[in-house]
Amino acid sequence: SQTIHQWPATLVQPVGSPLSLECTVEGTSNPNLYWYRQAAGRGLQLLFYSVGIGQISSEVPQNLSASRPQDRQFILSSKKLLLSDSGFYLCACPGGGTGYTFGSGTRLTVV
Amino acid sequence: GEDVEQSLFLSVREGDSSVINCTYTDSSSTYLYWYKQEPGAGLQLLTYIFSNMDMKQDQRLTVLLNKKDKHLSLRIADTQTGDSAIYFCAESINSGNTPLVFGKGTRLSVIA
Repeated sequence: SQTIHQWPATLVQPVGSPLSLECTVEGTSNPNLYWYRQAAGRGLQLLFYSVGIGQISSEVPQNLSASRPQDRQFILSSKKLLLSDSGFYLCACPGGGTGYTFGSGTRLTVV
Repeated sequence: GEDVEQSLFLSVREGDSSVINCTYTDSSSTYLYWYKQEPGAGLQLLTYIFSNMDMKQDQRLTVLLNKKDKHLSLRIADTQTGDSAIYFCAESINSGNTPLVFGKGTRLSVIA
């Protein structure tokens, strides 16, 4: 079965600073990968998804970007963080059987 | 477009049954899911149901699907304090190959 690793678990960054969140997957090859953000009162919002190396689809226009440099690696980045980027970021991939497997998430606070 | 709606809060007494409701708009939804999120954690798949099913039971969990009304519910029997969490409804037209669309989540509070 798949395992998703995300780090760091928590992050506090000043406005205007860069961001790099990493997600790696074990137990599968060439998975679809997804970045979701959970902001207070807004549920889970799909940010990006990738069906393969170098292939990124963006769902929401924003100052975030994503990259997939390797089959099992998915990176979420920003050049300059905004206060509104605060939230809980979750990486996911299709799980064994059906549904998704989620990582444990990164809580980002922009101050 | 796709949309999934849930009530935001539910409070029940320990030992009672909890019923969390969800409505969706995409009639081509094939798979419907319930996820549980405990504080500070990722999402855990609780159960799912295929659109050709009306009901699915798994221990204390019962999922009911009314495809005509596009209504999904999750019943938790004998609710315990450990069931306190946020419960997300999600739908997909192709398991694992298309992004899941999630509701905003229902925060279940269990009162001892």
